[in-house]
Amino acid sequence: SAVISQKPSRDICQRGTSLTIQCQVDSQVTMMFWYRQQPGQSLTLIATANQGSEATYESGFVIDKFPISRPNLTFSTLTVSNMSPEDSSIYLCSVSDRNYEQYFGPGTRLTVT
Amino acid sequence: QKEVEQDPGPLSVPEGAIVSLNCTYSNSAFQYFMWYRQYSRKGPELLMYTYSSGNKEDGRFTAQVDKSSKYISLFIRDSQPSDSATYLCAMSAYSGAGSYQLTFGKGTKLSVIP
Repeated sequence: SAVISQKPSRDICQRGTSLTIQCQVDSQVTMMFWYRQQPGQSLTLIATANQGSEATYESGFVIDKFPISRPNLTFSTLTVSNMSPEDSSIYLCSVSDRNYEQYFGPGTRLTVT
Repeated sequence: QKEVEQDPGPLSVPEGAIVSLNCTYSNSAFQYFMWYRQYSRKGPELLMYTYSSGNKEDGRFTAQVDKSSKYISLFIRDSQPSDSATYLCAMSAYSGAGSYQLTFGKGTKLSVIP
């Protein structure tokens, strides 16, 4: 399986600012996904990021709030814009090599004050 | 009704016990069934996956799927303190354009007491 790293691993940010989270994979993958994991809740898919096309957002998530870049087959970024305390969560990227299997990065723990 | 229901626990067992973790689902379109293990402050790690009804065994772990009842289980034999983690069930359905979308349960937090 692919080795996935995320930066930063954690951050504390002020309300109204933005944070960009990076996801790096050690091999080329077609599909990358961004999830949010809130305490006591299921992992929730934010968007699917395929190289060479616009990200596809799930219901409840919009590009202005969570812009995503996917410049190549090993890298993606997720920006959390104009943050509020409700955005405090763990953000995870995952990759898929056989479509039905996904492998996750270690996550970025975000606290918004 | 949520698409995937998983008892969040927490579940505490003595070392050596057999653990049973369960999920039910309502969406008949789910084709693949997975169990992830997530240690504290780590990302989810794919433990097992299966796509047909029946049992699949891997060491001390057995994944069971009953599509007729829309029910999946993970059994852990001879549980060890190192098995202490949150276990998430996940199911995938084809979402188009060559992509499968995962739907997760909330996770069950397991503690194995030495």
